[in-house]
Amino acid sequence: SYDLTQPPSVSVSPGQTASIACSGDKLGNKYVSWYQQKPGQSPVLVIYQDTKRPSGIPDRFSGSNSGNTATLTISGTQAMDEADYYCQAWDSSTYWVFGGGTRLTVL
Amino acid sequence: QVQLVQSAAEVKKPGASVKVSCKASGYTFTHYEINWVRQAPGQGLEWMGWMNPNSGKTVYAQKFQGRVTMTKSTSISTAYMELHSLRSEDTAVYYCARGTYSGDHWGQGTPVTVSS
Repeated sequence: SYDLTQPPSVSVSPGQTASIACSGDKLGNKYVSWYQQKPGQSPVLVIYQDTKRPSGIPDRFSGSNSGNTATLTISGTQAMDEADYYCQAWDSSTYWVFGGGTRLTVL
Repeated sequence: QVQLVQSAAEVKKPGASVKVSCKASGYTFTHYEINWVRQAPGQGLEWMGWMNPNSGKTVYAQKFQGRVTMTKSTSISTAYMELHSLRSEDTAVYYCARGTYSGDHWGQGTPVTVSS
């Protein structure tokens, strides 16, 4: 099976930049997406195909993917960004695989 | 606007089956795959499988093979996920999500509780 690893938690001060990593073997060869999930809500797609933002997602959210690591970056983090974030990889053999999730705390 | 509306919460006994529905609107149902994802209480997201609503082709995660069935009714733009031989560890919120490489729209979730 294919595994994705995320840090359990990341803390950031308001206005600063938060980075959440997602690692997996040759992850750069797969499409990576990122989801934001707030308590009691369904996940929301914030980054797809490594770097693309869906309409309606603020441009402070950005993504990258190379080698064995994909990264979600939130610039100018706001209190409303506090949530759980999940990476998800796709390829034609494994389909969807999720990371374990990262709780982002805005202190 | 695109919407995926799921069926209501279920309570089942161990050994039973549950069937969750996901009704699509706001787009052509047969043009996008439907994935099923579950989330146990306090846990992360877990992919269960994928269905092509046009062909009916399915791909199931290895963990669920033999215990899950994904079907569709094109006439009413609805996808279904049935999980058999339920055990307490299947207690979770079950989501449907539209898309191939990623889920751009998700249902509201269906809580399923398995308890004797």
